[in-house]
This record gives sequence, structure tokens and C-alpha cells, in this order.
Amino acid sequence: EDQVTQSPEALRLQEGESSSLNCSYTVSGLRGLFWYRQDPGKGPEFLFTLYSAGEEKEKERLKATLTKKESFLHITAPKPEDSATYLCAVPGGGATNKLIFGTGTLLAVQP
Amino acid sequence: DADVTQTPRNRITKTGKRIMLECSQTKGHDRMYWYRQDPGLGLRLIYYSFDVKDINKGEISDGYSVSRQAQAKFSLSLESAIPNQTALYFCATSQGPTDTQYFGPGTRLTVL
Repeated sequence: EDQVTQSPEALRLQEGESSSLNCSYTVSGLRGLFWYRQDPGKGPEFLFTLYSAGEEKEKERLKATLTKKESFLHITAPKPEDSATYLCAVPGGGATNKLIFGTGTLLAVQP
Repeated sequence: DADVTQTPRNRITKTGKRIMLECSQTKGHDRMYWYRQDPGLGLRLIYYSFDVKDINKGEISDGYSVSRQAQAKFSLSLESAIPNQTALYFCATSQGPTDTQYFGPGTRLTVL
């Protein structure tokens, strides 16, 4: 069964304290892995797409990496405005492009 | 202007009422989706449409119906709302089968 698991469920950091979020997946034939940021009461905002193991993408203080079994979202020197829930998702099997989402990591960055 | 819009943004209704949530997009994408989000359960797919003539059930379609009025418009209906349909509802669009899905701002629905 296709599955996405994110850890930790919640993470509290001090401003400037770097850390990583994990997204592990089980899917036959990976066709991409997506990272989103979601602020409370708002829609998920697209961050990155990764397609193959070894691929990395960066945006400001965020860097996403991909292996054959998991992806990491590294946050370097975070600021309070990075506080949000971070979601990862993969397309499920078949041709429907149904995204399978993890339940997210709630990140709180304290000043 | 936002590429994916949803109306209404908030709605409170009573058990048994019929409710329609609307989604419009200006991205020119063929594929549109409806998700609901519940605390601790993540985003779950209700219905999806590849084009105006192609509508498919997702993993939690019971109690919901949809209409794709045009390439740019996709509506979700709750024929007879019940309290456990209280949730955040999101519309999303994408161009191709492995392309990024872009989400609307969401509708917060409360069924009393």
C-alpha cells in the first residue's frame, strides 16, 4: 500500500537553530515527491518537486533532498516566519496522479 | 489575483442542508481536485476530474457529488450535510499526471 510518513509530528526550534524534517515513502515507481508549506487556515503552498534520488533543491533557508526511500527538508538558521506545517506528498500508483499526503510536521520557530 | 479561488471561504450550516462549494482557476490546467483536511488525518481526496467529461471518485466520495461546469470551474456539493463533514475543503489543479498540484485558499465548513 502506498504510504507517506512524516516525522517528527511537531518541532520547536530557537531562531537560528538548524534542523531537518523527514518524509519517508512507500510507493511503487516514484514519480515525484512534493513539499508544501501550509500556514494555519490557508491552502498548501508549493515549495519543491524532486524526481530522482540524489536530487537537491534550495529556496532561501530551505533545502530538500531525496533518496530512494525518504526525503529531508533541511532548514538552515530558521526565522520565526518559517513557522508553519510542512507537508510532503507523492503520486500514488496508476495514472490518476492522486497525491498521497503525509500528516505534516508542525514547525514552530521561537525568537 | 489568485490563480485558484474558492467560494465561500467560510460557511456554517445545519444538518440536512444542501451545500455547494465552488472552485475557479485561471491556470489553464485540465485537472482539478477536491480534498478535505481534518486534524491528524491530513489531506484526503474526495473527487478529481481530468477534463469536463471525466470525473472520478477519490478515497472518501460518499456523501459528496461534483460538477465540472467548464475547464476552469469545479464544484463540490454536499447533498445533505452532516456534522462529520465539518472540515477544511481545498480545491487543487494540475496540468499533467506528475505535475505540481496548486491549491486554493480553502473553505472552512462547519455543519451543526
